[in-house]
Amino acid sequence: EVQLMESGGGLVKPGGSLTLSCAASGFRFSDAWMSWVRQAPGKGLEWIGRLKSKVSGGPIDYAAPVKGRFTISRDDSKNTLYLVINSLIIEDTAVYYCTWHLTVSGYMDVWGKGTTVTVSS
Amino acid sequence: EIVLTQSPGTLSLSPGERGTLSCRASQSVSSNYLAWYQQRPGQAPRLLIHGTSTRATGIPDRFSGSGSGTDFTLTISRLEPEDFAMYYCQQYGGSPWTFGQGTKVEIK
Repeated sequence: EVQLMESGGGLVKPGGSLTLSCAASGFRFSDAWMSWVRQAPGKGLEWIGRLKSKVSGGPIDYAAPVKGRFTISRDDSKNTLYLVINSLIIEDTAVYYCTWHLTVSGYMDVWGKGTTVTVSS
Repeated sequence: EIVLTQSPGTLSLSPGERGTLSCRASQSVSSNYLAWYQQRPGQAPRLLIHGTSTRATGIPDRFSGSGSGTDFTLTISRLEPEDFAMYYCQQYGGSPWTFGQGTKVEIK
């Protein structure tokens, strides 16, 4: 069974930084495309970015609003996906979901339960 | 960026009725790369449909997707109690990938 478990969320002051992790199991992580999606309280879904497998290669794609502040990376030896968020702003308050792409395509087959980030002074 | 507009914002129906949800794109979606997700309260989204009309594994056949170009539809043939939820469309034919704002299907 494919499982994704996010962690690392919490209460952070504006201007701070945070690293979110996503532990993956049940599939060959090193071959997988992975994405992060967030959802602000009471709002819709916002795609953050996608990281392809090393075999697929190519750049990491980010949504325009987060480019330069957000960094997605992976450690295939640990089956873990990361999201580093710098210079946090109030508008980054959201549930952050890790997602898995079964195929090398843009739809997201499996979602983690999410981790909550709250940015407040 | 492709903007997706979902309508209606809220759909009020009774169990057993048919639900029709619309997703309109600001420009043509390449290869009809359009997906639908369901999100129940307090839960993560779940993939229902990809490639406009292909049901994901384990999704009941009362869910069907159709459309092409800029106009797409998710149809729920007979609403079950567990189908009352939020529904989002997503396009992955062009970068950046984008979601619609969602349609809430509520019990009438």
